[in-house]
Amino acid sequence: GNSVTQMEGPVTLSEEAFLTINCTYTATGYPSLFWYVQYPGEGLQLLLKATKADDKGSNKGFEATYRKETTSFHLEKGSVQVSDSAVYFCALSDGGSGGYQKVTFGTGTKLQVIP
Amino acid sequence: DGGITQSPKYLFRKEGQNVTLSCEQNLNHDAMYWYRQDPGQGLRLIYYSQIVNDFQKGDIAEGYSVSREKKESFPLTVTSAQKNPTAFYLCASSPGGLGANVLTFGAGSRLTVL
Repeated sequence: GNSVTQMEGPVTLSEEAFLTINCTYTATGYPSLFWYVQYPGEGLQLLLKATKADDKGSNKGFEATYRKETTSFHLEKGSVQVSDSAVYFCALSDGGSGGYQKVTFGTGTKLQVIP
Repeated sequence: DGGITQSPKYLFRKEGQNVTLSCEQNLNHDAMYWYRQDPGQGLRLIYYSQIVNDFQKGDIAEGYSVSREKKESFPLTVTSAQKNPTAFYLCASSPGGLGANVLTFGAGSRLTVL
């Protein structure tokens, strides 16, 4: 079955530091890849996505590139802020269009940014 | 603004009691989902529904029940058969077609068994 592996947290960074959160996946076919973010006490929000190999998803200064050859989708940001403190989830879904597409989530990586 | 409303935000239950968590969406999405979140385990799918009056078991359906009588509503009942119900419960929805794999989440309901 499909699976997603994320680096364990928590990750603690100083403000303006460079962020990388590693994510690798196992899947058959051509999955779509996602990063979701969860702020304390809230539900998850879609941060960015990529639907095919070599696509780069980006949003709010975060980026991730779909690397089929290394089955990876690492999340990066050049300069983190205190407001980026949250839990980040990598996820994938089955390929195809329409109908039910199972979404598989990683275990989440907690990011703490200190001033 | 469109979104998903979950209630209550916090719920306390005595052992042996059934409780129902509400989930309402005004996004006109076809599909709805219930996930359970435990520390260090990510999200696990409990039930999902693609259309009204139809739903399917997810990975951890034992001890839970759902209904989908209206497109907007997908309530989850945590029954007394669920051995370890204390968790954070998240409801989500997605549109049909090409957007079917993009989930919109509610703010969650935290259930504590006393």
